[in-house]
Amino acid sequence: EDKVVQSPLSLVVHEGDTVTLNCSYEVTNFRSLLWYKQEKKAPTFLFMLTSSGIEKKSGRLSSILDKKELFSILNITATQTGDSAVYLCAVGESGYSTLTFGKGTMLLVSP
Amino acid sequence: GAVVSQHPSWVICKSGTSVKIECRSLDFQATTMFWYRQFPKQSLMLMATSNEGSKATYEQGVEKDKFLINHASLTLSTLTVTSAHPEDSSFYICSAPFRTSGTDTQYFGPGTRLTVL
Repeated sequence: EDKVVQSPLSLVVHEGDTVTLNCSYEVTNFRSLLWYKQEKKAPTFLFMLTSSGIEKKSGRLSSILDKKELFSILNITATQTGDSAVYLCAVGESGYSTLTFGKGTMLLVSP
Repeated sequence: GAVVSQHPSWVICKSGTSVKIECRSLDFQATTMFWYRQFPKQSLMLMATSNEGSKATYEQGVEKDKFLINHASLTLSTLTVTSAHPEDSSFYICSAPFRTSGTDTQYFGPGTRLTVL
């Protein structure tokens, strides 16, 4: 059974739209949740979340974590074609250095 | 942020040959590095954890004799795909944990695309 579940699996929007990507998780000793953006090569780091309710923001991207309900969302406002990518959510557990990745959400922003 | 490099960025080889991929942490030391594999349209799958000065830890289903890992120094880990076959063709990515603000995050190398003919 998957520990990290992302939804939707894929999404097509028009430039200027706002999108919300979801990530739910189920791990024993949660330590952190990370969001990555993957274009043609390896993932690039976006955010790391460890505390509930504290929004992380970077330009048009923002993310928040709910440790009670075990999920996180990644928001992208005023989308641009350059936002087209696969967005990966990963969860780290205490005592382990590894991350468990979700399957990703493929976002396509059309002009 | 921390920088992780990989070499080569892509490689094409014949079936039966061995391929070595290097992963380096450029501006920090990494006693642990991770090797992932990603098939088209799939997410990253952890293959093994590379430990400096000791044996690597392999995930279930990953053949340790086929995927040799050597963590020679605090900044270098290598993955050697031995006797490569077409089904080993994939995108191989390494990462290294980096502690910032008291919490570990992971930075990824740019990846190596392996094609086995």
